[in-house]
Amino acid sequence: EVQLVESGGGLVQPGGSLRLSCVASGFTFTSDWMGWVRQAPGKGLEWVANIKQDGSEKYYMSSMKGRFTISRDNAKNSVYLQMNNLRAEDTAIYYCARDDHTVTPYFDYWGQGTLVTVSS
Amino acid sequence: SYELTQPPSVSVSPGQTVSITCSGDKLEDKYVCWYQQKPGQSPVVVISQDSKRPSGIPERFSGSNSGNTATLTISGTQPMDEAEYYCQAWDSGTRSHVFGAGTRVSVL
Repeated sequence: EVQLVESGGGLVQPGGSLRLSCVASGFTFTSDWMGWVRQAPGKGLEWVANIKQDGSEKYYMSSMKGRFTISRDNAKNSVYLQMNNLRAEDTAIYYCARDDHTVTPYFDYWGQGTLVTVSS
Repeated sequence: SYELTQPPSVSVSPGQTVSITCSGDKLEDKYVCWYQQKPGQSPVVVISQDSKRPSGIPERFSGSNSGNTATLTISGTQPMDEAEYYCQAWDSGTRSHVFGAGTRVSVL
């Protein structure tokens, strides 16, 4: 059974930083792209970033490029999202998801999400 | 940047058929995925690659994609199908995942 478990969310002040983690199990982690998707309170889904199996390719939503960094540790079956210079509008549930690129990229498995609140 | 447009809401009576559209420029050239999200839950794929239904998804869910519009159809809608539905496509030009804004399906 595929499982994705996020952690690291919480309350942070504007301008602060936070590192989200996601531990994967139930599939061969090194075979798949991984990604992060966020959802602001009462709003829709917004893609944040994704990363190739070996970490050699990373892509970001344009508004987050330069502030957010996605990375992965294949030895730990983990993917991370480092978020810097956080703003109130970054407040959201952040989902870790497996990014299936077999035919065309889409997110076939999702974690339960971790809530990030940016507020003073 | 590429955009996907969905109607904000649709309503349907139990047992009836409802269709949700997702529009984008030359959308038929891309594969579309549909996600169902119920309140307080993570999204779940109901249709991938325009019309493929993952295991465990009821047959009443179907999808199509032609021209500038992809469509998710729920036949014989059940009260449990009340949820938000999002379409998604991959924009190869910008190497970006693109989501529609979502459609709230109300089963009245």
